[in-house]
Amino acid sequence: AQKITQTQPGMFVQEKEAVTLDCTYDTSDPSYGLFWYKQPSSGEMIFLIYQGSYDQQNATEGRYSLNFQKARKSANLVISASQLGDSAMYFCAMSHAGGTSYGKLTFGQGTILTVHP
Amino acid sequence: DVKVTQSSRYLVKRTGEKVFLECVQDMDHENMFWYRQDPGLGLRLIYFSYDVKMKEKGDIPEGYSVSREKKERFSLILESASTNQTSMYLCASSFLRQLNYGYTFGSGTRLTVV
Repeated sequence: AQKITQTQPGMFVQEKEAVTLDCTYDTSDPSYGLFWYKQPSSGEMIFLIYQGSYDQQNATEGRYSLNFQKARKSANLVISASQLGDSAMYFCAMSHAGGTSYGKLTFGQGTILTVHP
Repeated sequence: DVKVTQSSRYLVKRTGEKVFLECVQDMDHENMFWYRQDPGLGLRLIYFSYDVKMKEKGDIPEGYSVSREKKERFSLILESASTNQTSMYLCASSFLRQLNYGYTFGSGTRLTVV
């Protein structure tokens, strides 16, 4: 079965500094997708970034980059130049890409990020 | 603007009541999902559907059922609500074959069972 693990319940970072949020995953499928979502206190889930298991390069979206290390089964999110508005819960997630569970999205436990001024 | 709409933001129900949570999407997505979110546990999948009248159990389907009679609508049913079903419920949808586009979530329904 697929599993996503986020080992950091909470992280703190100074404004304008970079921060890395950890995510490891476990799957026997050769084809899968990795996602990061942001959930501010308002509760909405905001899609940040996607990495496919066959993508050769790490995904980047503005200040967000995904450090994909396939052999280690890790998909860490790096936020550069943190802003106060980055304070939120962050979820790592993995999608199935085969079989009857195609498209099923499995989430980690989440990491609460707090950005200090 | 693409949207997933959940019918209620807050809901209070009594133990033993039958509860319906409705979700509607306007993006012509094939996949629809119901999750519950609890502190420290992340989001856990209850049920998902990849087509009309099709449904698949997620990780925690016990005590829940679903209905998908139309492509745009996916309903979660609590047959007999219990206090341990007090939670935030999130609906999501996605294209079947374009997972890299991400999953779009509704704003959630916070259900309290008393």
